[in-house]
Amino acid sequence: GIQVEQSPPDLILQEGANSTLRCNFSDSVNNLQWFHQNPWGQLINLFYIPSGTKQNGRLSATTVATERYSLLYISSSQTTDSGVYFCAGILFANAGGTSYGKLTFGQGTILTVHP
Amino acid sequence: DSGVTQTPKHLITATGQRVTLRCSPRSGDLSVYWYQQSLDQGLQFLIHYYNGEERAKGNILERFSAQQFPDLHSELNLSSLELGDSALYFCASSVATVGTGYQETQYFGPGTRLLVL
Repeated sequence: GIQVEQSPPDLILQEGANSTLRCNFSDSVNNLQWFHQNPWGQLINLFYIPSGTKQNGRLSATTVATERYSLLYISSSQTTDSGVYFCAGILFANAGGTSYGKLTFGQGTILTVHP
Repeated sequence: DSGVTQTPKHLITATGQRVTLRCSPRSGDLSVYWYQQSLDQGLQFLIHYYNGEERAKGNILERFSAQQFPDLHSELNLSSLELGDSALYFCASSVATVGTGYQETQYFGPGTRLLVL
């Protein structure tokens, strides 16, 4: 299966700072998602981004599929951004028109934003 | 709110016992996935069901089993529980979209936190 590496493993920021999180894949992936796990354990979808760039408020993501990496940008960070950020990729195997992909997660980046 | 519901939210039980975790997917989603998040193994895929049929298995123990019912809700059964089974269990659902290729966003439920004592 694919290997997913995330960096950095830990990140500590002051409120208002910007940051970039990186995700590298060992093989080509059909799909890629970024998640935020908040301190209560909930996994929140941030982006579905198999390629290209997307933006949602202070967050944006870029995936360069040919080079097997994705970046998550957080601008003007807030304390509520704290938590663990995961990227995950899917390799698809199709049968009868039905996809059965299984997300392979990285180990996550633990982000702490101080006021 | 992702639209995926899981019950119970918390579960405390003893070693050797059996528990059942329940998941209701988002309306219209035919695929249900189960994942386990533990401190030592991270987030790992367990099993995938599509419209009632098992489609893929990951690192799921033989003591664990799952099924998806005609109304598309799914249950994950964990038996002969061990201390190491303590983890956060997530259910996710998705609908595959066929365009230039398969596109699938998985939406995660709030999880069931299992503690085995």
